[in-house]
Amino acid sequence: QKEVEQDPGPLSVPEGAIVSLNCTYSNSAFQYFMWYRQYSRKGPELLMYTYSSGNKEDGRFTAQVDKSSKYISLFIRDSQPSDSATYLCAMSEWYSGNTPLVFGKGTRLSVIA
Amino acid sequence: GAVVSQHPSWVICKSGTSVKIECRSLDFQATTMFWYRQFPKQSLMLMATSNEGSKATYEQGVEKDKFLINHASLTLSTLTVTSAHPEDSSFYICSARAPQSGPNYEQYFGPGTRLTVT
Repeated sequence: QKEVEQDPGPLSVPEGAIVSLNCTYSNSAFQYFMWYRQYSRKGPELLMYTYSSGNKEDGRFTAQVDKSSKYISLFIRDSQPSDSATYLCAMSEWYSGNTPLVFGKGTRLSVIA
Repeated sequence: GAVVSQHPSWVICKSGTSVKIECRSLDFQATTMFWYRQFPKQSLMLMATSNEGSKATYEQGVEKDKFLINHASLTLSTLTVTSAHPEDSSFYICSARAPQSGPNYEQYFGPGTRLTVT
């Protein structure tokens, strides 16, 4: 079993739809959770991060962490064609600055105008 | 915000030659940088963790003699692919941690370098 599981998609939705992206993980020591957006042939861009369980909202984006279920989600409201990209979840244990991130495979999202 | 640059963005080289990729943190000092490799439609695979002033820590299965990492300053880390072969063709991405207090130490990524070995 991989440490982080993420459905690679592709996921295709109409403009304006609510998008739900998810990851599950096996390491209960993970406490720091991130979502990155990656456009084709570009480096990942940090969208949101959360520490431990709970919700965090930033504009059209909401990140949720359920540590009891080892499940994290990213919701995108009022999706736009410009949201079309690959979304990667990443996580790490709260440790020193040397702790690398563990990434999911990424979910390819297409928002159709 | 924290900006990480990479140079070159794209390089083509012949089999057997060496290629150097630079990763710079432009507006912050990074004691730790990470090097990743990404194949098409795959996730980022960590290759090594680079610490300023010390030897890099390589992930299992990554040849340290083939992928030479130097982190000579707080703003620059380099990855040299030695004796490159076509199977080394990939997208190489670096990242750097922005120093923060507490648990919120975000990791910022460079734009990546596409290496094609012919």
